[in-house]
Amino acid sequence: GQNIDQPTEMTATEGAIVQINCTYQTSGFNGLFWYQQHAGEAPTFLSYNVLDGLEEKGRFSSFLSRSKGYSYLLLKELQMKDSASYLCAVTDSWGKLQFGAGTQVVVTP
Amino acid sequence: SQTIHQWPATLVQPVGSPLSLECTVEGTSNPNLYWYRQAAGRGLQLLFYSVGIGQISSEVPQNLSASRPQDRQFILSSKKLLLSDSGFYLCAWSVGGARGEKLFFGSGTQLSVL
Repeated sequence: GQNIDQPTEMTATEGAIVQINCTYQTSGFNGLFWYQQHAGEAPTFLSYNVLDGLEEKGRFSSFLSRSKGYSYLLLKELQMKDSASYLCAVTDSWGKLQFGAGTQVVVTP
Repeated sequence: SQTIHQWPATLVQPVGSPLSLECTVEGTSNPNLYWYRQAAGRGLQLLFYSVGIGQISSEVPQNLSASRPQDRQFILSSKKLLLSDSGFYLCAWSVGGARGEKLFFGSGTQLSVL
């Protein structure tokens, strides 16, 4: 099984930077995903990390440390539309995604 | 291009009634198919996954079942709904065979059991 922990909620102002941390414990690891989910909608893919290091994609970056069981998602130049839940998900040894409970990011003017 | 269709979008059902949610994928062959449930304010819980026709794996014991009668069709069912079955149900697919593959989600079904 998996233990995937991330904060419940974070609040930041428009234009700021927010870092969402995710820690995981797993007996098998085949990659870590970040998804964005707006209320009442399906999750959409943001990033995938399988090797240690930083992956940058526009305003969003994701970091992975496999030895520490740790990842973060960095959101820069926050916009109001970034208000959403951000889900950390780990691929287990069977190739299935197991999700954390999500971090609700609230962007204020 | 690949698309995934899931219906209905919303559903209100009385306790004890049956359930059938359908999901179809277009534009790909032999996808891995998944059913997830998301309770209010909670993460996604994997319910079932399938790697091929008639091949269903259940992740958690419950009164739900799943079937895959065709390669690109995945159905979630229940004979008698419970209050605790309320939630947001998501169908998803991924390319077959590879580990760590990205999931593509359907638009979801908001189920309210009253």
